[in-house]
Amino acid sequence: DAKTTQPPSMDCAEGRAANLPCNHSTISGNEYVYWYRQIHSQGPQYIIHGLKNNETNEMASLIITEDRKSSTLILPHATLRDTAVYYCIVRVDNYGQNFVFGPGTRLSVLP
Amino acid sequence: SAVISQKPSRDICQRGTSLTIQCQVDSQVTMMFWYRQQPGQSLTLIATANQGSEATYESGFVIDKFPISRPNLTFSTLTVSNMSPEDSSIYLCSVEGAVRYGYTFGSGTRLTVV
Repeated sequence: DAKTTQPPSMDCAEGRAANLPCNHSTISGNEYVYWYRQIHSQGPQYIIHGLKNNETNEMASLIITEDRKSSTLILPHATLRDTAVYYCIVRVDNYGQNFVFGPGTRLSVLP
Repeated sequence: SAVISQKPSRDICQRGTSLTIQCQVDSQVTMMFWYRQQPGQSLTLIATANQGSEATYESGFVIDKFPISRPNLTFSTLTVSNMSPEDSSIYLCSVEGAVRYGYTFGSGTRLTVV
């Protein structure tokens, strides 16, 4: 079973920041937080991951609470193309460890 | 990260027949993963395929129904056997990406069984 909890759906206005929360209260010390998204009819796409420090890349920012029990994915300026299902996954950073997908959050970016 | 080519992208099949899905990677990878995504659902891991050994199947999936081949480090196939309408799903393969950058997924095979 997935070890994360996410809201089933969220809306965001185009051009605004989209903040997607994820709870992972049972996360272990050696588990990373990964975010993927799946745009309709495509395979999941890697967005970002982190252990305990906040991370930023060209796609998004990841904010992890100090106790690591929750995190937030931030899309700073959402566009219509960001409409997708977003998956938060915790996983040990070992080669060959598969990803366990929960139901994710369906983000709708509205014009 | 690795580039995955998955074929076919979609197919409509008659019940009772079998379909073989191919997954080609542009670099050598040790492990390949096969997932199923039923309509409106999240992804579920079917099996893990290592080159040179039998695939390891997750609970609820059996080799007779989903035989997997892994002849080399860049290629794998998943066969959906004796299909029924309940097998209508998207089937995806994935491989380990660059170190610590998660996995790369193929674009999937959308299967409809009629």
